[in-house]
Amino acid sequence: GQQLNQSPQSMFIQEGEDVSMNCTSSSIFNTWLWYKQDPGEGPVLLIALYKAGELTSNGRLTAQFGITRKDSFLNISASIPSDVGIYFCAGQLETSGSRLTFGEGTQLTVNP
Amino acid sequence: NAGVTQTPKFRVLKTGQSMTLLCAQDMNHEYMYWYRQDPGMGLRLIHYSVGEGTTAKGEVPDGYNVSRLKKQNFLLGLESAAPSQTSVYFCASSYNQDLLTGGNIQYFGAGTRLSVL
Repeated sequence: GQQLNQSPQSMFIQEGEDVSMNCTSSSIFNTWLWYKQDPGEGPVLLIALYKAGELTSNGRLTAQFGITRKDSFLNISASIPSDVGIYFCAGQLETSGSRLTFGEGTQLTVNP
Repeated sequence: NAGVTQTPKFRVLKTGQSMTLLCAQDMNHEYMYWYRQDPGMGLRLIHYSVGEGTTAKGEVPDGYNVSRLKKQNFLLGLESAAPSQTSVYFCASSYNQDLLTGGNIQYFGAGTRLSVL
C-alpha cells in the first residue's frame, strides 16, 4: 500500500506567492524525486535528491532531502500561472531496487 | 529523441474485451514500468521489467499481463477488461541506476486514457 504521505492535497494561490509542499513516511528512502504533471501529460522530473540533508535548487524550485531520510519538501518561489499542475514526490526505498513509491500528489492552482 | 512513447493515447472498451497497450523507449534503458493513475491515488505500479525477457509484479498486478520481448518495448495486456480498469496508464523507463549519482530516475510517457464501459 501507499507509504508516502504528501500534503497538502491541493493549493489555491495568487500569482507571485510562494508555495511549500512536503512528503513524509515511516520508511527510510535512498532517493527522493519531485515530479510535475501538466494536464494530459506524463510526470516530468523537476529535482532529484540523493543524500540526507541535501538541498537542491532548479530555478524557482528548491527541494530538500530530510536528515532522517523519511521526508522531503519542495518550495516554489514567486509562483506563475504555468506552475499549475500536479506535483508528486517519489521515493526509492532501500529494499525496493529500482521501484519508486509515489505520493498522492498536490494539485496546485495559481490565480493570475 | 522521442523518449518514451505510448500508443494508443485514448481507448474505449466494452467489458470483457481485450487490448494491448504498447510502450516504446529509445534511451536504451534496462528497466521499464507500467503504472495506473486514479484520482487521489497517485501512481501505482502494475508490473515492471528489469531487462529483456523478464517481468515482475508490482503493487496492483491483477487483471493485467505484460511482456518484454525486446529491450525497447514493454507491452501491457488486458485479457478481459473490467470497469475497474478505467484509468490513465503510464509507462516509464530508467537505467538500472543513474551513471553519475547511483540513484534511479524514471522517465514517463504521455499516458493512455482507457475507459471500460
